[in-house]
Amino acid sequence: DAGVIQSPRHEVTEMGQEVTLRCKPISGHNSLFWYRQTMMRGLELLIYFNNNVPIDDSGMPEDRFSAKMPNASFSTLKIQPSEPRDSAVYFCASSQTEKLFFGSGTQLSVL
Amino acid sequence: DQQVKQNSPSLSVQEGRISILNCDYTNSMFDYFLWYKKYPAEGPTFLISISSIKDKNEDGRFTVFLNKSAKHLSLHIVPSQPGDSAVYFCAASEAGGFKTIFGAGTRLFVKA
Repeated sequence: DAGVIQSPRHEVTEMGQEVTLRCKPISGHNSLFWYRQTMMRGLELLIYFNNNVPIDDSGMPEDRFSAKMPNASFSTLKIQPSEPRDSAVYFCASSQTEKLFFGSGTQLSVL
Repeated sequence: DQQVKQNSPSLSVQEGRISILNCDYTNSMFDYFLWYKKYPAEGPTFLISISSIKDKNEDGRFTVFLNKSAKHLSLHIVPSQPGDSAVYFCAASEAGGFKTIFGAGTRLFVKA
C-alpha cells in the first residue's frame, strides 16, 4: 500500500491566487481529514469526511477555504483567494479506526 | 480554545534516561487518546494509544498513562535513544466518531 498520497509537496504562490491541494487516501479507509500545522497552533483540524460526506467543517478558517471529496479515492482542499497567513503545512490523513494515517504534507507558501 | 494542551514546547533528555511528555485535555467526552511522532518533512505517525477504560498501556519502550480524574495523560520513553528525537503530538477523539483533536506538540531532543 502506498499510504496517503498528497500533492504537490511544495506550493509557492502569490497572494490572491487560487491554491488547490490534493489527497488520495488509503484504499478502504472511510474517513478523511485535513489538518493544518503552524508553529503557534500545532495541528489544527480543518474538516473531516466520513464515507465521502463532510461531517465537521467547524475548523475551516473562513469562506476562502473549501474542501470536497467527490469519491472515496480523492479529496481536494482549495483556498481562494490565498493570503500570506495561509502559509503552513497542510496534511491529509485517512483512517478506518481511531488510528490516523498521514500523508507527507503540502508546504504552502503564499507570498 | 484548545481542547488538548501540551504545555511544554520542548524537552531535552540524555540518552538512556527517561523522557516524560505530558498532555492535558478539557473535553470529558474524549474516550480514546493517542500519541503520534513526527520527523521533519514527514507526516505524523501513530506511536501508541489508550482507551479511557484503561489507565496504562505499554508497548516496548513506550508507556502511556491516563489519569481521567485529572484529565491528564503522559508518555514515558525509557530508555530514550537519539532516534527518538522528534515532535510528539498528543491527540484525543470522542466516542462514536473519529474526529481527532491534536495538541500543539512537544519537541524532544535526546542527546547522545
